[in-house]
Amino acid sequence: NAGVTQTPKFQVLKTGQSMTLQCAQDMNHNSMYWYRQDPGMGLRLIYYSASEGTTDKGEVPNGYNVSRLNKREFSLRLESAAPSQTSVYFCASSGQGNYNSPLHFGNGTRLTVT
Amino acid sequence: DAKTTQPPSMDCAEGRAANLPCNHSTISGNEYVYWYRQIHSQGPQYIIHGLKNNETNEMASLIITEDRKSSTLILPHATLRDTAVYYCIVAGGTSYGKLTFGQGTILTVHP
Repeated sequence: NAGVTQTPKFQVLKTGQSMTLQCAQDMNHNSMYWYRQDPGMGLRLIYYSASEGTTDKGEVPNGYNVSRLNKREFSLRLESAAPSQTSVYFCASSGQGNYNSPLHFGNGTRLTVT
Repeated sequence: DAKTTQPPSMDCAEGRAANLPCNHSTISGNEYVYWYRQIHSQGPQYIIHGLKNNETNEMASLIITEDRKSSTLILPHATLRDTAVYYCIVAGGTSYGKLTFGQGTILTVHP
């Protein structure tokens, strides 16, 4: 059981370039989330998907788009990367999408935008 | 979501119990108390959660006061691998899925 798998693990982009961060879970969870973590700070929610076919904005959605491709996969796209998007990105999933269902996190994608 | 207050850092000797406190005085009746930890930039790891009653699993115990305004996470026999940042999070109600991670407590376990 791999849990939550994120690819790539590391990425360096130049300002204005685009990329897609991939996330897949094998726990048959309904809900999936994208967070970012800046140095010395807590995690902030970017987007989430309560169930297949739905997505909603979190706390810091500007500059990002998401796609819930199927129940297993939830991708995060940066259309035009900016240095302010340098961060560690974590994907997470939860079974029921309510508060009695803990989140399970991947090990992150470390993104640097120069 | 209710805010939480945790000490910024704590120390513990290896093999001893680590007791991590958390204050959440504005918690409402339908909000859960969650504990996660993050080891050296890995993804946060779920530890335990509870609503009203004390909870125990293979990793830890969670003690919630009767008025639910504070809680304590107990790691019964701390090891060096338990050195991490521990986050106490209160979540529930209408803010679906939006866990708010604060600064947490840096727990250092010493040999």
